[in-house]
Amino acid sequence: AQSVSQHNHHVILSEAASLELGCNYSYGGTVNLFWYVQYPGQHLQLLLKYFSGDPLVKGIKGFEAEFIKSKFSFNLRKPSVQWSDTAEYFCAVRFGDDKIIFGKGTRLHILP
Amino acid sequence: SAVISQKPSRDICQRGTSLTIQCQVDSQVTMMFWYRQQPGQSLTLIATANQGSEATYESGFVIDKFPISRPNLTFSTLTVSNMSPEDSSIYLCSSTDGGRNEQFFGPGTRLTVL
Repeated sequence: AQSVSQHNHHVILSEAASLELGCNYSYGGTVNLFWYVQYPGQHLQLLLKYFSGDPLVKGIKGFEAEFIKSKFSFNLRKPSVQWSDTAEYFCAVRFGDDKIIFGKGTRLHILP
Repeated sequence: SAVISQKPSRDICQRGTSLTIQCQVDSQVTMMFWYRQQPGQSLTLIATANQGSEATYESGFVIDKFPISRPNLTFSTLTVSNMSPEDSSIYLCSSTDGGRNEQFFGPGTRLTVL
C-alpha cells in the first residue's frame, strides 16, 4: 500500500540550529514529492516540490529537500532556523494516479 | 495559481444532521479533492472528484456518508451526513493546476458536531 512516513512528530530547536525532518514513502513507481507548511491558524502552503531533475530542491524561506530514490526519502532541511519557522510541516507524495497522500506531520517549535 | 474558497468557514451542528460544504475554484480544474484534518492530525484524503464522473472514495470513506457533487469544472460540494461528534474536523477542498505541478488548498471548513 502507498504510504508516507514522517519520523519526527514533534521537534523542538533553538534559533540558529540546523533542521532536518525525515520523510519516507513506500511505492516503487513514479512519484512527485512535496513539503507543505501550516503556520498556526493559516492555510497549508507549499514549501517546495520535486518532480524530476536535480534531486536537491530549494524552496521558499531557505528550506531545501533532497530526493534519494534508493532510500525512498525526501528529507527537509534548513541550515539555521528562525523563531518564525514554528509551524507544522507535512511531507506529501503524489503517487502515479494523481492522488496526494500526506504524512502525519511534524510539529516544529523554535525557542527564541 | 488557483484560488479556492469554501463555504461555510465554520459551523456547529447537532448530531444526526447533515452539512453541505461548498468549494469554488477561480479557474477550471479537472481534479478536485476533499480532505479531512482531524484535531492534531494530518490530512486524510476522503475522495477525488472529477467532473462528469462519480467520485472515487478512499478506504474508510463511503458515498452514503460523504456524498460529493461535481457539477462543473469550478465547483464541488461535500456533504457530511448523519453527523456524529467523531465527524468534528476541518474539511479541506483542494485542486491541482492545469499542469498538475502544484496542489492548492482552500481555507477549510471547521466543523464541530455536538
